[in-house]
Amino acid sequence: KQEVTQIPAALSVPEGENLVLNCSFTDSAIYNLQWFRQDPGKGLTSLLLIQSSQREQTSGRLNASLDKSSGRSTLYIAASQPGDSATYLCAVIAGNNRKLIWGLGTSLAVNP
Amino acid sequence: EAGVAQSPRYKIIEKRQSVAFWCNPISGHATLYWYQQILGQGPKLLIQFQNNGVVDDSQLPKDRFSAERLKGVDSTLKIQPAKLEDSAVYLCASSLQGTYNEQFFGPGTRLTVL
Repeated sequence: KQEVTQIPAALSVPEGENLVLNCSFTDSAIYNLQWFRQDPGKGLTSLLLIQSSQREQTSGRLNASLDKSSGRSTLYIAASQPGDSATYLCAVIAGNNRKLIWGLGTSLAVNP
Repeated sequence: EAGVAQSPRYKIIEKRQSVAFWCNPISGHATLYWYQQILGQGPKLLIQFQNNGVVDDSQLPKDRFSAERLKGVDSTLKIQPAKLEDSAVYLCASSLQGTYNEQFFGPGTRLTVL
């Protein structure tokens, strides 16, 4: 059974820091992995989608990497800003399961 | 490009009442999803449509929840009668064609059942 874990559960950093959020999954037979952002009381914003054949994806100050063999993905945020404060969730689709399997998220606070 | 639209944004009802949520997916997206997100948890898939057909409703409490997607575009999710434990955010998402494509989410409807 696929399980997704995100560590840490919460993170507080000063503005300007580069930071890494971690996502691990138990079954390496995934089809893709998606990173989302959720602001309090709001819906989910898709940040990056990595297909199983890819190693990384970049969008602006965000870079997501995928290492299927070790069951890990990282989301790198460069030069963090207060506007980056939100909960970041990762979700995977396993090879034979068509549902997104979600982590519980990392709550990020970037302090000015 | 317009995103996924949902209404209402907030709804407060008493237990045993009925409520309906509406979703308009991104134009051209064949697949539509309804999720339930309880505070502190990841979203739980309730139902998935491919055009106007149901692909997966295995986690939909069918004794009280129903959903339809007439004409393969807009969708409504209904709860009748509501229970206290239905208090959650209901998220609608869409993807171009199937689960393997990127999913885009609407702003959600926050339901409070008193």
